[in-house]
Amino acid sequence: DAGVTQSPTHLIKTRGQQVTLRCSPKSGHDTVSWYQQALGQGPQFIFQYYEEEERQRGNFPDRFSGHQFPNYSSELNVNALWLGDSALYLCASSSTDSTYGYTFGSGTRLTVV
Amino acid sequence: GDSVTQMEGPVTLSEEAFLTINCTYTATGYPSLFWYVQYPGEGLQLLLKATKADDKGSNKGFEATYRKETTSFHLEKGSVQVSDSAVYFCALSRSNTGKLIFGQGTTLQVKP
Repeated sequence: DAGVTQSPTHLIKTRGQQVTLRCSPKSGHDTVSWYQQALGQGPQFIFQYYEEEERQRGNFPDRFSGHQFPNYSSELNVNALWLGDSALYLCASSSTDSTYGYTFGSGTRLTVV
Repeated sequence: GDSVTQMEGPVTLSEEAFLTINCTYTATGYPSLFWYVQYPGEGLQLLLKATKADDKGSNKGFEATYRKETTSFHLEKGSVQVSDSAVYFCALSRSNTGKLIFGQGTTLQVKP
């Protein structure tokens, strides 16, 4: 059973560019959450999607946006990249039917130069 | 708002030593508490959890007890192995699918 799949694994972008990161949740999971993990820090919650809508949002600017598709996969978009956006972006999926079930992907390492 | 504070690392131990990583939290009510582990180049794996006061979570020889009176959830292991070398994160959540709030992480290095 495949877990959470994220793509790409590594990415280099230039300041001012836009980026799209992708996540396929674990089979049976319907909720996707995104986290930003700066080097040497704990992950910070960006937002969560359920039933194709943003259900919760952390303290991130509107430059960060997302989408969830009918098959529960999700995208994270970041516009107007700046150096401080360099981080590991983690996707976590879960199921509203389970007592607890966060499964994390291995992440996408984004470097902004 | 809610927050989690962990002891600063890195923690360096010899194999078979006793491990304690301190974690305290600030939150109203009764959040669920978690320990996650991150091996180099990988995502986060749930190590253990506790959902109410005095619960003890345990897995792979690691243990942590939810202490409401001291707002703590310290991670312990009686005898660490080289393979336990990783970054450990303490976290809380207010619901089963709510957002996780993480501490800053503690790096553990175990030497043979």
